[in-house]
Formats: sequence, structure tokens, C-alpha cells
Amino acid sequence: SQQGEEDPQALSIQEGENATMNCSYKTSINNLQWYRQNSGRGLVHLILIRSNEREKHSGRLRVTLDTSKKSSSLLITASRAADTASYFCAPRGGGSQGNLIFGKGTKLSVKP
Amino acid sequence: ETGVTQTPRHLVMGMTNKKSLKCEQHLGHNAMYWYKQSAKKPLELMFVYSLEERVENNSVPSRFSPECPNSSHLFLHLHTLQPEDSALYLCASSQDVPGGANVLTFGAGSRLTVL
Repeated sequence: SQQGEEDPQALSIQEGENATMNCSYKTSINNLQWYRQNSGRGLVHLILIRSNEREKHSGRLRVTLDTSKKSSSLLITASRAADTASYFCAPRGGGSQGNLIFGKGTKLSVKP
Repeated sequence: ETGVTQTPRHLVMGMTNKKSLKCEQHLGHNAMYWYKQSAKKPLELMFVYSLEERVENNSVPSRFSPECPNSSHLFLHLHTLQPEDSALYLCASSQDVPGGANVLTFGAGSRLTVL
């Protein structure tokens, strides 16, 4: 299993702005997943991108994946105060490397 | 409601107590997980059960004892804990198939405080 590393550790923006978070990982993956966690709660799955995909959209979320650079980014467009949360990436390998290991996350604060 | 229910949501215990955390999933998944989230540290994967067999144990102290009696239930038995074990304990489940996505569904967590 491998851990993703999110960057930046904290991000503060105004409502309506876009938020971009980055993730780096070390070895080959089967897919990469992004999760969100509101304070003191469980994580919620947001979006998954497979290793053969380069970009994926879901509502206001856009995820990109660059397997040559072993990196991914999550873009939240037109952010809202309700988007305030921590965001985690989880690279998933195949077989016995399939368990999801989470990093410290990016703490996003969206100010009204 | 995510389909993964954790009880209790909050627990305060002394270092000599014995208590258990319970997790139940109603999603028909075949794998269940315990994660520990301490302040300012990454989530730590503690235990993984697949088809009711423990398949991963990440050097967790023996004062934490997991139990998976069936594919829908997972327990974490706690005894003689230390104050540094205070954390949010998260249970998750997934449908683990070869080559599959292995997306996790988490419960709301059990906040444990050890005095």
C-alpha cells in the first residue's frame, strides 16, 4: 500500500473562487481516489480516476491524473462555504497493494 | 447515513477499563477496515478484514483487539489503553473484487478519550 501526499496542507479562499489541491505518489497505481472529511466525521468518497484516464469531472469537481509525474490534482470550481473540509487523495495499487492509505490531507477553508 | 454505523459515537474510558467499539455495515460489502485518526497525524490503517479473515495488521499494539464475526460486523476491543490512544476511530467497508475500484464507505467515527 502507498500513501498519497497532499499539497498544500492548508488553503484559504473566498467563496466563488476556485480551489486546487495536488497529490503526489510514488509507485504505479490502479486508480486514485479523492475523499472529503468534515471536521470530526468520517471520510466521504468524492471521485475516482483510473490509471488510464487523464481527466474526470463530477459536478463542480475536476480531477486530473498524470501517471508520468505520479501526480493528481483536484479542482473545485465556484467554491462555497459548505466546501470547507479536509480533502485526501488515496492512490490504489493492484493486488496486495490495494489498501487505501491516506496522507495528512489539505485543509480547505472557504470564507463567505 | 452512509450505510456504515459506528457505536458509540463518543467514549471516555480510564486506562484500566475494557470497552469495545462496534461497526455494522448494511451495504453487502466483503471487506471491513479500522482506521485511527489522531490530531495532526495521517490516518493510520490498523486492521483489514476481507471475507471475515484478517488480512492486514499494521503493527498495532495488542491492547487493540479486532473481531469480525461476520461480513457485516466489526468490533475493536480496547483494554488497558494509554492517553495517547485518544483519537477518532473510523470504520470503513468496501466491495473488494480483483481489479475493482475498492472504494471505501466510512462510518461517522467513534471519538475515544482515554483519561
